[in-house]
Amino acid sequence: VQLEQSGAEVKKPGDSLKISCKGSGYSFTNYWIGWVRQRPGKGLEWMGLIFPGDSDTKYSPTFRGQVTFSVDRSVSTAYLQWDSLRASDSAVYYCARHGSGTFLYYFDNWGQGTLVTVSS
Amino acid sequence: DIVMTQSPEFLGVSLGERATINCKSSQSVLDRSSNKHYLAWYQQKPGQPPKLLISWASTRRSGVPDRFSGSGSGTDFTLTISSLQAEDLAVYYCQQYYSTPNTFGQGTKLDIK
Repeated sequence: VQLEQSGAEVKKPGDSLKISCKGSGYSFTNYWIGWVRQRPGKGLEWMGLIFPGDSDTKYSPTFRGQVTFSVDRSVSTAYLQWDSLRASDSAVYYCARHGSGTFLYYFDNWGQGTLVTVSS
Repeated sequence: DIVMTQSPEFLGVSLGERATINCKSSQSVLDRSSNKHYLAWYQQKPGQPPKLLISWASTRRSGVPDRFSGSGSGTDFTLTISSLQAEDLAVYYCQQYYSTPNTFGQGTKLDIK
């Protein structure tokens, strides 16, 4: 199982951004993918989940309306998108796979993380 | 939301000694139908993504050294490293996956004393 994330991004406030997480080595559509934020020097924040099989989503209330999860099953890739970035969105974003097809489960594999820097 | 509170935030332990990290949930994470606690522990080394150590409160992931063990029930859980090795220097997080939003503890930074 591998989750390969897109590279670091430097953006300005108000910019849009879409980062990616490509799954390989397993059946991509059968396992939930989650997104986790880690601000500099801080802890892990659970943002939510997407099920690639049918694009069902579960957002944390903290992040609902602030970001959008999506998938492209044809390329086994999940995406995390912002329409208008803020400086407070600067963080490392991890994608992670659930160890099962159920949404109440732990993350058994993690991507390497994507650093997003938002600065004017 | 279930709040996860870890203690201590910082822990200094000598090599070869025992390290104990606590995690308390604001409500039970026990699923009575399966009798499983929806509690995981992760290790994050500097500059790396988190790595799963323990699931279901006490099930060690394959390949994780047996000096790592998880215990607890109801709302109180513990991660124990029986004999600290230099490579165990990291931040450790507990996570409940009993309900969404899943939540993490704030982390415990483990240093070598």
